Amino acid sequence: DIVMSQSPDSLAVSLGERATINCKSRQSVLHSSNNRNYLAWYQQRPGQPPHLLISWASTRESGVPDRFSGSGSGTDFTLTISSLQAEDVAVYYCQQYYSAPYTFGQGTKLEIK
Amino acid sequence: DVQLVESGGGSIQPGGSLRLSCAASGFTVNTNYMNWVRQAPGGGLEWVSVTYNSGSTYYADSVKGRFTVSRDNSKNTLYLQMNSLRAEDTAVYYCARDGRGSGFDDWGQGTLVTVSS
Repeated sequence: DIVMSQSPDSLAVSLGERATINCKSRQSVLHSSNNRNYLAWYQQRPGQPPHLLISWASTRESGVPDRFSGSGSGTDFTLTISSLQAEDVAVYYCQQYYSAPYTFGQGTKLEIK
Repeated sequence: DVQLVESGGGSIQPGGSLRLSCAASGFTVNTNYMNWVRQAPGGGLEWVSVTYNSGSTYYADSVKGRFTVSRDNSKNTLYLQMNSLRAEDTAVYYCARDGRGSGFDDWGQGTLVTVSS
């Protein structure tokens, strides 16, 4: 199984400031056949189901604000929110879909400072 | 529009059984990768199973041998049969569609399963 770990577990950032969340996989999720990273990021607001923000480590889903960006390759990935807005308060999860079981990170809780 | 609606949750004693349903609309269940994901109260997301469009299903080790996924194509519905339930199975259960092989695009609102004596 591919173990996913995120850091930090929680994060408090001022409105308008940058938030950075890290995700590490115990083995590479970069597929050699297509050079794509099988890594997704989700946002889960309180009381809501998760929502897919980013796939392939860096491809924003339709409708996701461009302040959200994903980067990284292989085993180390980052989700960046360039200018934090109040509606960004949520728990963020990374997930690998390279191979089943499609494991998630433990989540990072993002709050306003 | 794509919609997923879970039902069938409730309170059950340890050792009991429950069947969850995930009714889909806006797409066809048997042509997509369909997943169950659960979330314990106050906890993180735990992947439970995937059913590929081929019909093959894979399970997390934590539920293997106790949970079974099935599909009813005529009702466009996915099911999760849960047997030998344990306290640690207490969670909100979501069904989620992976429509493009690139993450879980669509999620239901979830159904709560509580296993307690």
